[in-house]
Amino acid sequence: AQSVTQPDIHITVSEGASLELRCNYSYGATPYLFWYVQSPGQGLQLLLKYFSGDTLVQGIKGFEAEFKRSQSSFNLRKPSVHWSDAAEYFCAVGAGYSSASKIIFGSGTRLSIRP
Amino acid sequence: GAVVSQHPSRVICKSGTSVKIECRSLDFQATTMFWYRQFPKKSLMLMATSNEGSKATYEQGVEKDKFLINHASLTLSTLTVTSAHPEDSSFYICSASPGTGLSDTQYFGPGTRLTVL
Repeated sequence: AQSVTQPDIHITVSEGASLELRCNYSYGATPYLFWYVQSPGQGLQLLLKYFSGDTLVQGIKGFEAEFKRSQSSFNLRKPSVHWSDAAEYFCAVGAGYSSASKIIFGSGTRLSIRP
Repeated sequence: GAVVSQHPSRVICKSGTSVKIECRSLDFQATTMFWYRQFPKKSLMLMATSNEGSKATYEQGVEKDKFLINHASLTLSTLTVTSAHPEDSSFYICSASPGTGLSDTQYFGPGTRLTVL
C-alpha cells in the first residue's frame, strides 16, 4: 500500500535562510507525488507535483522539489524563506495516475519562521 | 484557477443531531469528489470517494451509515454526519477532480469546522 512519511513534525528557520522539508514515500511503481501547503484557517494549496520527466520540479512561491527514486524521497526546498511561508506542509502520493485517484497524505511538517 | 467551495465554513450542533456539509465546484464539473477529515495538528484522512451518480466508496474504518455522502450532480457533493457525537468534531475537507487526465489536478475546498456539543 502507498504511504508517505514526513519525519520532521516541526521545523523553525530564520527568515532568509534556506529550507528543506523531507518526504519519503512507499509505492510500487513510479509515484504521482505532491506537496501541499495549508495556512492557518485556509484550505490546501498545491505547491507542485511530479509524475514523470525532469526529476527537479518547480512550483509556485519559489518552491522546488526533487524526486530521487533511489532514496524514495521527494524533498521540498526553497532557497530563501519569507515570514509568509509559515504554514503546515503536506507531502502526498497519488494512489493512481489520474487526478481522479485518491491522494494519501503524510503527517505534515509545521514550518515556523524566526524573524 | 478552479474553485471549490464548502458550506458552512463552521457549524456547531448538539449531540444527536445531523449536520449536512456541501462541497461545490464553482467553475468546473467534478466527476469525482473526495471527503477528508483532519484532526487538530494531524494529517488529512481520506474518508470516501464519490463519483457522480453512483454510491460512494468508503475507506476502511469509516462508517458509511454515519457519514452519508451524496454526489447528485457534477458540481455538488454533500456529506451528512448523522446522529453526531462530540468525537465527530473535526475539520472536514472536500476536494474535486475535473477529470482523469494527468494534467488535471484535485482542487481542495477551504474546509468545514464541525463542533458537536
